[in-house]
Amino acid sequence: DAMVIQNPRYQVTQFGKPVTLSCSQTLNHNVMYWYQQKSSQAPKLLFHYYDKDFNNEADTPDNFQSRRPNTSFCFLDIRSPGLGDAAMYLCATSRDLEGREPQHFGDGTRLSIL
Amino acid sequence: AQSVTQLDSHVSVSEGTPVLLRCNYSSSYSPSLFWYVQHPNKGLQLLLKYTSAATLVKGINGFEAEFKKSETSFHLTKPSAHMSDAAEYFCVVTPSNFGNEKLTFGTGTRLTIIP
Repeated sequence: DAMVIQNPRYQVTQFGKPVTLSCSQTLNHNVMYWYQQKSSQAPKLLFHYYDKDFNNEADTPDNFQSRRPNTSFCFLDIRSPGLGDAAMYLCATSRDLEGREPQHFGDGTRLSIL
Repeated sequence: AQSVTQLDSHVSVSEGTPVLLRCNYSSSYSPSLFWYVQHPNKGLQLLLKYTSAATLVKGINGFEAEFKKSETSFHLTKPSAHMSDAAEYFCVVTPSNFGNEKLTFGTGTRLTIIP
């Protein structure tokens, strides 16, 4: 089945130690998104790629970066994680940016900061 | 500007009884509306979507929702709750004539099923 796969499912890192989360998709969608979701809250969009075009949300901290080396893969890099960055990180894809297109989500990576 | 209000943060129903999760929206443009479900430690799964076709939308797992423009509502219903329906539900709106990166999430409704 075509899907969005996130690895790892659980990630533990130390305060200030860089960490990378990965996402891959077999849907061949043009758009990939990264969301941060804290406990009992709705997901919050960090940024998205339309093909190779990167779009950062205005309130996404500089500590968060992303790479999309090809259509299938997208990475979230947190350069110096703080305790407030502990959250579930969700990757999603959509075929394009048309408002009627639903987004397809992976199962997320739960990040813990020691 | 657009917004979504999920009127109940928590709903509890007995197994086998109807489910109603309420969602009201506001949008300056013709909206697309979605309901997503999130089980614990999982991503969001699309239940159903409204994109200006039929106002009564049928989704997966027996859920359906009715778009009522006059009431600016998109409530989610299911005739008979099952234990596996216990999850968090998000109502989402996006203006059809903009990109879906502008989608707006409701704050979520946690559905509990009582055996």
